[in-house]
Amino acid sequence: KAGVTQTPRYLIKTRGQQVTLSCSPISGHRSVSWYQQTPGQGLQFLFEYFSETQRNKGNFPGRFSGRQFSNSRSEMNVSTLELGDSALYLCASSLAAGGGYTFGSGTRLTVV
Amino acid sequence: DQQVKQNSPSLSVQEGRISILNCDYTNSMFDYFLWYKKYPAEGPTFLISISSIKDKNEDGRFTVFLNKSAKHLSLHIVPSQPGDSAVYFCAANSGGSNYKLTFGKGTLLTVNP
Repeated sequence: KAGVTQTPRYLIKTRGQQVTLSCSPISGHRSVSWYQQTPGQGLQFLFEYFSETQRNKGNFPGRFSGRQFSNSRSEMNVSTLELGDSALYLCASSLAAGGGYTFGSGTRLTVV
Repeated sequence: DQQVKQNSPSLSVQEGRISILNCDYTNSMFDYFLWYKKYPAEGPTFLISISSIKDKNEDGRFTVFLNKSAKHLSLHIVPSQPGDSAVYFCAANSGGSNYKLTFGKGTLLTVNP
């Protein structure tokens, strides 16, 4: 059974650019969440989607957005990149909301 | 406002001994708690969870204890193995319509052979 797949694994972008990250959940999983991991802040919740609807959003600026498609695949977008956006972005999927989320390996974003 | 706290950034134990990782929380609405293990360059891997209606849950070498009155939980690993060396994250969820996990900042466990 394939796990959660995140692409790309690594990305380098310049300040001011925008970036789109992709996540394919485990087959059958309809809930997809996104987290940002930085050394100083640990893992912080970005947003969660279920059946193409955003059900919860963390305390991040509007530059961070996401969406979910009918096949449960999800994308997150960060516009007007800042140096502080450099982080590991993790996607997790679950059959339903709540615990037991399975995480992907993440996308390492570096903003220069 | 850090609602889930792991006050020990690191812990070192000898192979075969017990590892005890601690976690405190402040939000009394949390009713489900999880532990994840993370190796460098990989995503967190789910280890074990506990609901607030229980005070203990076991899975092989891993046991999680929950003390609701103290808002404290701990993860016991017995016996510890070198392959257990990783960062351990405590996470909490408040269920209902709150579809997010709140994580602690992690504890780096090193198990020495």
